[in-house]
Amino acid sequence: DTGVSQDPRHKITKRGQNVTFRCDPISEHNRLYWYRQTLGQGPEFLTYFQNEAQLEKSRLLSDRFSAERPKGSFSTLEIQRTEQGDSAMYLCASSLGDGHQPQHFGDGTRLSIL
Amino acid sequence: AQRVTQPEKLLSVFKGAPVELKCNYSYSGSPELFWYVQYSRQRLQLLLRHISRESIKGFTADLNKGETSFHLKKPFAQEEDSAMYYCALSGHQAGTALIFGKGTTLSVSS
Repeated sequence: DTGVSQDPRHKITKRGQNVTFRCDPISEHNRLYWYRQTLGQGPEFLTYFQNEAQLEKSRLLSDRFSAERPKGSFSTLEIQRTEQGDSAMYLCASSLGDGHQPQHFGDGTRLSIL
Repeated sequence: AQRVTQPEKLLSVFKGAPVELKCNYSYSGSPELFWYVQYSRQRLQLLLRHISRESIKGFTADLNKGETSFHLKKPFAQEEDSAMYYCALSGHQAGTALIFGKGTTLSVSS
């Protein structure tokens, strides 16, 4: 098991473009989380899935952001009409769905908006 | 408000010296506390959690509910301990997101 996998590792795009990131969790994990991390800050929660159901969304997740986990396996995070402030590292984590299980993180996708 | 505070951005110590990375939290209820570590060019990984009461790589952390603290300690620092350390809490409901502090960079020099 290679752990949580995220693609791409880096994304550079112009302001106003749409971007999509993918996360493949550890295979037996049914919980999946998205976080955003900016320079000098710890990761900040964006949204959370239990299987295919999106159970929680942060106020950070504006209407330009949408996340899906269609079959309860991989997840995608899309940002529409990107803005300078969207530049950040986007982290995905997964965990087992049994009580309080630790979250395992991927390497992240670094987004840079020109 | 739920919050995790790590007051030090950077902690520099010499090899063999004791280390204490401070973490204070604000949460109405009984949270779960974690320490995550990120070594250079590696992903964020769990170091330890308070309910395990384990010692990982010589590190320990005790939850002090009276002081709302979860400080990370190691009696003798090693150069390989140099990394970014994040304290995080999770709410009492299973599956809730982690709330992270801003992190402390630990630098251990010989």
